[in-house]
Order: sequence, then C-alpha cells, then structure tokens
Amino acid sequence: DAGVIQSPRHEVTEMGQEVTLRCKPISGHDYLFWYRQTMMRGLELLIYFNNNVPIDDSGMPEDRFSAKMPNASFSTLKIQPSEPRDSAVYFCASSSAQGSTDTQYFGPGTRLTVL
Amino acid sequence: AQSVTQLGSHVSVSEGALVLLRCNYSSSVPPYLFWYVQYPNQGLQLLLKYTSAATLVKGINGFEAEFKKSETSFHLTKPSAHMSDAAEYFCAVSDYGNEKLTFGTGTRLTIIP
Repeated sequence: DAGVIQSPRHEVTEMGQEVTLRCKPISGHDYLFWYRQTMMRGLELLIYFNNNVPIDDSGMPEDRFSAKMPNASFSTLKIQPSEPRDSAVYFCASSSAQGSTDTQYFGPGTRLTVL
Repeated sequence: AQSVTQLGSHVSVSEGALVLLRCNYSSSVPPYLFWYVQYPNQGLQLLLKYTSAATLVKGINGFEAEFKKSETSFHLTKPSAHMSDAAEYFCAVSDYGNEKLTFGTGTRLTIIP
C-alpha cells in the first residue's frame, strides 16, 4: 500500500502569495491530521478531521490558515496570504477509526519557504 | 492537559553502547504513550506504543520502552546502538478517546563510530 502522499515536497514562494499544500491519506483511514514542524516550536497539531469533518482546529495559528477535506482521499491546507514566519515543514498524517490507540502514519512532509 | 518532557535535546552514544532516551509525561488520566523516530528529510515513523497492556513494550529496530507509573516515565532504550539509529526521536502522549497526540520537543541521537 502507498503511504500518506503529500505534494509538493518543496515549495518556495514570496510573502503575500497563496500557498496550497495537498495530502492523500492512506485508503480506509478515517482520521487526517495536519502538523507543522519548526525549530522554535517543534511539532504542532494544526487541525484534524474525522470522516472528512473538522473536529479540532484550535491549533490553526490564524485566519490566514484554512484546511478542507472534500472527500476521504484528499485534503488541502491553504495559507493566504503567506508570511515568512510560516516557513516550516508541514506534515499530514492519517489513522484508522480506532483513534488514539491507533498509529498515526505520517507523510514525507512539505518544506515551505516563504521569502 | 497532557504533556511530555524529553530530557536532553541531544544525546550522543558510541556504536554498540546502550541508548537511553528519557521521556516523562503529565496526564490526569491513564495515558497512551508513543515513541516516534524521524530520519532526515522524512516523516515520523512509529517505533512503539503503550496502550495499558504490558508495561514493557517492544518496538521495531530493537528498541523498547517501559511504562513506570510511579515515575511518570516512558524511557526508550536499546541495548546496542547502531549507526543507522542516528535520527530524531519524539515521545508523544494521548488520552483514551482523544485522537490528538501531544509531542515532546524531540531528542537528536548521534552515534559515534
């Protein structure tokens, strides 16, 4: 089975531009998580979905960030407008319906650089 | 709210020596505990997890961890370090019924030849 797929792997953009990160979870998984990793703040949970419905978005830093999951096999994280402080590695992870006892499988990440 | 503290942001051990990475948790209810490993430029991969069954948990690549409630600890060990173990290791905690994981700040493990 293919693991969690993220695209693009690297994104370089200029401040003020819109950025869209994409994720395809493992087939059959009901939970999808978006994380951000930086040197300063470590690994932070931004938002997670269950059966395509956002459950907790308390980690989303501000209104510039939005996430959607239109179907079970696709999710996006959008930043508009982007700022240099958004530079980080963004990970998507998925897990099955058993929730916290089940393993979260991480994608390879998208390294975002905002100039 | 639950949290984990990883003592030592960097640990260096000689090849063949014991690996010990420390993790202490704080949780108001019995927790589920995880260790993940991150190799350079990759996502996180589960090493092992504790879900209230056996207190000694064995994982992949020869790693194991012991849940000690009295010490609120879940330290990761490996008897003999290998060069391929060089990576960053994250401890994480969740509560039953809560799908959210809270990660520690990570420990970078360096193996000295």
